[in-house]
Amino acid sequence: AQSVTQPDIHITVSEGASLELRCNYSYGATPYLFWYVQSPGQGLQLLLKYFSGDTLVQGIKGFEAEFKRSQSSFNLRKPSVHWSDAAEYFCAVGVIGYSTLTFGKGTMLLVSP
Amino acid sequence: EAGVTQFPSHSVIEKGQTVTLRCDPISGHDNLYWYRRVMGKEIKFLLHFVKESKQDESGMPNNRFLAERTGGTYSTLKVQPAELEDSGVYFCASSLRTGGFTEQFFGPGTRLTVL
Repeated sequence: AQSVTQPDIHITVSEGASLELRCNYSYGATPYLFWYVQSPGQGLQLLLKYFSGDTLVQGIKGFEAEFKRSQSSFNLRKPSVHWSDAAEYFCAVGVIGYSTLTFGKGTMLLVSP
Repeated sequence: EAGVTQFPSHSVIEKGQTVTLRCDPISGHDNLYWYRRVMGKEIKFLLHFVKESKQDESGMPNNRFLAERTGGTYSTLKVQPAELEDSGVYFCASSLRTGGFTEQFFGPGTRLTVL
């Protein structure tokens, strides 16, 4: 069975600084990979996804993620964090033939002034 | 276009009581999913409807949970009787197609507290 690890439960970043959130997955083949964000009182919003092709994926709100097959990783990055980026971020894996998603435990991002 | 809506947003009940959660998917989305997040844990899949049929209910924790989707529109998830370990946030999601992998649109969740 596939699994997703987000090693950082909380991360604090200064506004304007760069951000990288880590995600590692365990699966025998190349999965579909997703990053979702949940702001307080909101549903999970899809930031970006990787299905195939270019391993550097651009998403909404200035986020990007890079799929590294050799490291089984799909880290999320943003060059300059804004206070409105404070939220919880979830990495998720989808598997061909199944419609369900497997999520990591989430990383709470705090943005300091 | 309205997104996925869930009702109620919060529910506090006592152990042994019954609670029913409702999810309204995006109009036209045949696929509807229920997920749950217990505090401190991952968001975990519960079940998947295609229209009114249960495609996959492998994530349902036990027979105290009953999900329905009559008419293939909204869905309800009933917990009866509720136990302490059922506390958590219940998310609903919907997607347009079943083939391949399409984006799942999530609702804001229902936070269930069982005392």
